[in-house]
This record gives sequence, C-alpha cells and structure tokens, in this order.
Amino acid sequence: EAGVVQSPRYKIIEKKQPVAFWCNPISGHNTLYWYRQNLGQGPELLIRYENEEAVDDSQLPKDRFSAERLKGVDSTLKIQPAELGDSAVYLCASSKRGTGSHEQYFGPGTRLTVT
Amino acid sequence: SQQGEEDPQALSIQEGENATMNCSYKTSINNLQWYRQNSGRGLVHLILIRSNEREKHSGRLRVTLDTSKKSSSLLITASRAADTASYFCATGFTGNQFYFGTGTSLTVIP
Repeated sequence: EAGVVQSPRYKIIEKKQPVAFWCNPISGHNTLYWYRQNLGQGPELLIRYENEEAVDDSQLPKDRFSAERLKGVDSTLKIQPAELGDSAVYLCASSKRGTGSHEQYFGPGTRLTVT
Repeated sequence: SQQGEEDPQALSIQEGENATMNCSYKTSINNLQWYRQNSGRGLVHLILIRSNEREKHSGRLRVTLDTSKKSSSLLITASRAADTASYFCATGFTGNQFYFGTGTSLTVIP
C-alpha cells in the first residue's frame, strides 16, 4: 500500500510570494489533515477534511491560507502571500474514518523556507 | 488548551535501559495516541489507548492512562539506538480531532 505522498519536499521562496503544497492521501482514507510543524514543536492542525468537506479549519489563518480537496481525494494547501513566520514543515496526514482505529498516516512533509 | 504536554522535554539514556516519558492534559479525552518522529521515517503512529483503558502493550512499548490524573505515560523497555527520536502524545476528541503536544526528545546512547 502506498503511503501519503506530498510534494514538493522542499521549497524556498521570498516573502510575499505565493506557494502551494500538494497531498495525495492513502487510497480509501476519507479524512485528511494538514498540519504545520515548527522546529522543536509538535504538529499544529491547520485544517481537517472529511471527504471533500472542511470540518475543522479554526486554526487556518484564512487571510493568507487556503485549502481545497477536490473530489475528496487529493488536496492542496496554498499560502499567498507568504511571510517569514510561515517557514515550517507542512505535514499532510490521512486516516480512515469508521474503522475505530483513529491512526493517522503522515506524509514526509514539505519544508518551506521563506526568505 | 486541548493539547497534551510531554515531560521531560529531553531524555538521554544508555542502550538497554528503559525510557519513560509522560503526557499531561487538561480536558477530558476520548483517546490518546503516541507517535514517534525521526528524520528517517517521519511521524509514525505507535499506539492508541482509549479513555476506558488503563494499560496497553505493543512489543517493547507499554502505555498507561490515568484519566483521574489526566496523564499518560509511555515506557520503552530495553531501549536501542534506533529508538532515538522525538515522541509526541496526541489527545483525541470527538470525531477525528487530535492535538499534538510539544514532544520528548529521546537519545539512546550505544
């Protein structure tokens, strides 16, 4: 079974530029999460999808961040414009709702550096 | 705050020794999970314990949960150099809501 795929793995951009991250979850996983992880910290939830519906986006800075999950499969997270403080690792995870497992499978992440 | 807080922040032990790390939280939870993160494999799920369970085992891992004290502990027995990683607890709530703590950095010295 293929794991969660994320791209790109690394991205360096100048502040005020836009950036987008892509995630392909494990096949059949209807729940998708985007997290942001700063150095030395735990993952912080940005948004959670159940199929194509965003059910928890309370931590998403909506003035500059946006996300979508078309057809309830792949997802993209966008930042526009990026700020220096957005430098972090952006993690995507998926899980299969209804199995009682609650286990999240994480992708390798995208390391964003804003200069 | 709904996230857990791990203690200690950093732990260094000799190979073969046991490692214990703790997670405390403030609000009632449905379940609690432990994850490991190292540079090679990213974040990996280790074990989940539900609020009505007190102890679970998985290989060399033993997790306890005390809901009256709002705390959980992760014990790694007979540690190996490969156990060197950061360990996070994630408090689970209704639906699929999870909040990660700040982690314990474990170093196992060969």
